[in-house]
Amino acid sequence: GENVEQHPSTLSVQEGDSAVIKCTYSDSASNYFPWYKQELGKRPQLIIDIRSNVGEKKDQRIAVTLNKTAKHFSLHITETQPEDSAVYFCAAIVSFGNEKLTFGTGTRLTIIP
Amino acid sequence: GAVVSQHPSRVICKSGTSVKIECRSLDFQATTMFWYRQFPKQSLMLMATSNEGSKATYEQGVEKDKFLINHASLTLSTLTVTSAHPEDSSFYICSAPDRQRGGYTFGSGTRLTVV
Repeated sequence: GENVEQHPSTLSVQEGDSAVIKCTYSDSASNYFPWYKQELGKRPQLIIDIRSNVGEKKDQRIAVTLNKTAKHFSLHITETQPEDSAVYFCAAIVSFGNEKLTFGTGTRLTIIP
Repeated sequence: GAVVSQHPSRVICKSGTSVKIECRSLDFQATTMFWYRQFPKQSLMLMATSNEGSKATYEQGVEKDKFLINHASLTLSTLTVTSAHPEDSSFYICSAPDRQRGGYTFGSGTRLTVV
């Protein structure tokens, strides 16, 4: 099955600086890669996703890059703000709909004011 | 967008009792529902996949007789934790494919505490 590794497990960034979280996946057939933000005791919230037919996607301060050859994808948050503090999970899936999402181990991001 | 309503949000039960968690899809039909468990400071681990009208598929190491899953309709999937023990205390969350937006919709989660 799919195996997703995520690094780092914790990340502290000065407010205004950028944060980068990286994930690698094992199944070359994976074609959908979402990123979730989870606050304590809450459900994961989708913040951005990318499909295997594109290499980069951006939404305001958040961007995701995908390298299919190397089987890794990264989350980039620019101009970080205190409200960005949360746990972030990457995930990968072979096909959308009836296949399970495999989550990374999570990154606890702390923005230092 | 699609919404999955999950209840209860928090439950405390005595050891040995059973607890039922419901996930209901609003305004869409959830033919598939994924059930996850999340221990503190850990990732979401898939427990089982339920499909409407058929038996659930359990992940390796998950006891199907302890975690009963029912998906009797296109809008309702339930997880029953039977004979709960303190080690079953966790955050349980369901998720359904959101075919409108092409992602996955999560329930709000259930914090189960077994005392």
